[in-house]
Amino acid sequence: QQPVQSPQAVILREGEDAVINCSSSKALYSVHWYRQKHGEAPVFLMILLKGGEQKGHDKISASFNEKKQQSSLYLTASQLSYSGTYFCGTETRAGSYQLTFGKGTKLSVIP
Amino acid sequence: GAGVSQSPSNKVTEKGKDVELRCDPISGHTALYWYRQSLGQGLEFLIYFQGNSAPDKSGLPSDRFSAERTGGSVSTLTIQRTQQEDSAVYLCASSLMTRQETQYFGPGTRLLVL
Repeated sequence: QQPVQSPQAVILREGEDAVINCSSSKALYSVHWYRQKHGEAPVFLMILLKGGEQKGHDKISASFNEKKQQSSLYLTASQLSYSGTYFCGTETRAGSYQLTFGKGTKLSVIP
Repeated sequence: GAGVSQSPSNKVTEKGKDVELRCDPISGHTALYWYRQSLGQGLEFLIYFQGNSAPDKSGLPSDRFSAERTGGSVSTLTIQRTQQEDSAVYLCASSLMTRQETQYFGPGTRLLVL
């Protein structure tokens, strides 16, 4: 089942912070985060694994709450380059790479 | 190579024809992934290869879709008897070893079925 992302869209001024949430109705094994700019291929940001391990980029952080079946992506001191659509992909079964993606959160950073 | 490459970049075909999409991953990357993105929609995961093996093919939309990877490198995604709903951008990505690592995406193949 498709995870639910919130908010659907957000507008920030440079330097502001944002949180994007990804909620699942099923227990999660891993959560993957991507950013896609218009007309470009997605860029991998972060993966969070059950048990707390996370691998990703230095300037972006994320949390994975296994009990709440939810992940949040934290963007701090936003820059114009952060603009794009953010997708989360969830894996609900260990041993399979069956990812289901949310509909995306459109983030716009303005000067 | 310098990055993931895909060919063709654009493909227009008639309904009912077969198409073959190609992905060349970054040299040395053992994991390879196929995704599909319809216009204005999010990503749809299709299949993942570790080496030449695909552990789970259940993400493929129908039995008209097949994928293979040979020599641990190039992968082809074949769509038989194309339908208009197959129109989408097909994206390929690769990562160094396991699926829990940074994935690098190719530019995609834009498929239009008339």
